[in-house]
Amino acid sequence: AQSVTQPDIHITVSEGASLELRCNYSYGATPYLFWYVQSPGQGLQLLLKYFSGDTLVQGIKGFEAEFKRSQSSFNLRKPSVHWSDAAEYFCAVGAGPSGSARQLTFGSGTQLTVLP
Amino acid sequence: GAVVSQHPSRVICKSGTSVKIECRSLDFQATTMFWYRQFPKQSLMLMATSNEGSKATYEQGVEKDKFLINHASLTLSTLTVTSAHPEDSSFYICSARLGGPNQPQHFGDGTRLSIL
Repeated sequence: AQSVTQPDIHITVSEGASLELRCNYSYGATPYLFWYVQSPGQGLQLLLKYFSGDTLVQGIKGFEAEFKRSQSSFNLRKPSVHWSDAAEYFCAVGAGPSGSARQLTFGSGTQLTVLP
Repeated sequence: GAVVSQHPSRVICKSGTSVKIECRSLDFQATTMFWYRQFPKQSLMLMATSNEGSKATYEQGVEKDKFLINHASLTLSTLTVTSAHPEDSSFYICSARLGGPNQPQHFGDGTRLSIL
């Protein structure tokens, strides 16, 4: 079965600093990987996704993520963090037999705090 | 595009009542919708997968008689929490998928359910 690990429960950065959120996955085949962001009391917004091809994926709000098969990682990065980026970030892997209702398995999330 | 509307956003009711939560895909047809439950400061736990016109597939440990799911059209799925009790209090989030199993899920804003 697939699994996702987000090692950092909470990260604090200063506004304008760079950011990297870690995500490691476990899955026997080629994974479909996603990053979502959740603001308090709200649903999840898709930041970016990786299916195949270029391992560096660009997303919305200036985020990018790099798929590294050798490390089973899909870390999220942003060169300069804005105060509005403070939120909970979830990495997810889509897995399941081809043609099935492919499900998402989520990591435990990383809470991002941005200092002024 | 790919907007998912969830209603109501918040419900407070007495123990023993039944509560219905609606999930609508506003600008696309969703053959598959998902229902999640999220406990405070935790990740999303998949409760069930709902396919239009067929019975929902429930995850292990989720009581199908307790959490009734109906997916009567390509734009609407409902979750009914029957005879709700305080332990059912939680944040419930739906998602809808546009297209095939490898496509990302788009999430509603969630429903905060509080049972007194």
